[in-house]
Amino acid sequence: NAGVTQTPKFQVLKTGQSMTLQCAQDMNHEYMSWYRQDPGMGLRLIHYSVGAGITDQGEVPNGYNVSRSTTEDFPLRLLSAAPSQTSVYFCASSSGAQNTGELFFGEGSRLTVL
Amino acid sequence: LAKTTQPISMDSYEGQEVNITCSHNNIATNDYITWYQQFPSQGPRFIIQGYKTKVTNEVASLFIPADRKSSTLSLPRVSLSDTAVYYCLVGFTGGGNKLTFGTGTQLKVEL
Repeated sequence: NAGVTQTPKFQVLKTGQSMTLQCAQDMNHEYMSWYRQDPGMGLRLIHYSVGAGITDQGEVPNGYNVSRSTTEDFPLRLLSAAPSQTSVYFCASSSGAQNTGELFFGEGSRLTVL
Repeated sequence: LAKTTQPISMDSYEGQEVNITCSHNNIATNDYITWYQQFPSQGPRFIIQGYKTKVTNEVASLFIPADRKSSTLSLPRVSLSDTAVYYCLVGFTGGGNKLTFGTGTQLKVEL
């Protein structure tokens, strides 16, 4: 049981480039979300999804797109990378059936934008 | 959104009990209170969750007063390996609820 898997673990981009951070979970969780964490800071919610075909914005959605075509996958797309998007990105999932908010996190993807 | 407030940092010594309090004055009826632990370069890890009164598991206890406007995470007999950031999270994943974290509490345990 792999849990929540994020790829890549590390990525360096140039300003203006685009890329996709992948997130997959094998726990059949309905709820998935993306957070970013800047050095010495807490986690800020970017986007979240309560099920396949349903996404919504979090606290800091600008510059990011998401889609949820399957229950398992929730990719995060950076359309035109900016240095302000240098951060560690965490994907998380939760069982919607329990509705209790227990999140399972991936190991993180460290992104540097030059 | 239920906003949370925690102390920025706390210091303790090995073997002591540590209590970290989180304020959440606008908690909603359906919200649960969940505490997470995060080590450097890792994702947060679930510690304990509760709705009201007291919950205890093998690593911690969670105390929630009747009005649910605050909660206290209690770590018995901490060790050096408990040095981490602890986050209080209020909400629930059903119904499209946004789960937003506060700034967390940096706990430092010394010998």
